[in-house]
Amino acid sequence: GENVEQHPSTLSVQEGDSAVIKCTYSDSASNYFPWYKQELGKGPQLIIDIRSNVGEKKDQRIAVTLNKTAKHFSLHITETQPEDSAVYFCAASMGYQKVTFGIGTKLQVIP
Amino acid sequence: EAQVTQNPRYLITVTGKKLTVTCSQNMNHEYMSWYRQDPGLGLRQIYYSMNVEVTDKGDVPEGYKVSRKEKRNFPLILESPSPNQTSLYFCASSYTHNGELFFGEGSRLTVL
Repeated sequence: GENVEQHPSTLSVQEGDSAVIKCTYSDSASNYFPWYKQELGKGPQLIIDIRSNVGEKKDQRIAVTLNKTAKHFSLHITETQPEDSAVYFCAASMGYQKVTFGIGTKLQVIP
Repeated sequence: EAQVTQNPRYLITVTGKKLTVTCSQNMNHEYMSWYRQDPGLGLRQIYYSMNVEVTDKGDVPEGYKVSRKEKRNFPLILESPSPNQTSLYFCASSYTHNGELFFGEGSRLTVL
C-alpha cells in the first residue's frame, strides 16, 4: 500500500519567516495531494491541494510543489503569522477514498 | 451551515462495553470515512463508504464495525472496546471519490 513520510515532525519559526514541510510518497498511482491544517481541539481542514498534472499551486501565502518523478511534494508558507501555528498533515490519494496521511508537523510561529 | 457532526465528543468507557460513535453530515456527500489519530502515527483510515450500503475496510479496521443505512449517517461501532482503541476519532465526508475531506470535530475515546 501507499506510504507517506512527512518531515519535520516539529518546526519552530520566527514570525515573518518562511516554513517548509516536505512529504514523500511511495505509490506512483497516487494522483491527489492535499494538505490539511489542524488547530487545537478541531478537525483537520483543507488548506491547499494539488493534482498530479500540476507542478505548483499558490494561494496567497501558501504554495505547494509536486515532483512526480521524485515522488515528493512540499508545503511552503511565507510571511508566517502566529495564527499559522497548528499541526499540518500531508496526504496522498489514488481515489476511491484510498487516502494515506503523513504523521503531521507541529508548526510553532514565535511572535 | 455545512458540517459533519460527531457524538459523543468525549467518552470514557470500560473494556468490553459496546459503544457507538455517531456521525452525520448535511452536505449530501456520497463518500464518508472514519479515521483515528494517534501521536506519532498521524491519521489512519478505519473504514470508508462510497454510498448507502457500500462500505469497505481501511488500513486499521480490526475491532470496528460500520454501517451506512442512510446517506447522511455513518456510525462507528466498537462491539467490545479494548484499551488499544483509546484514541481520537474523526469522521469525514466528501463530495467526490478523490477530493477534499470535510472532517468533524473529533471524538476522544478512552477505554479503561
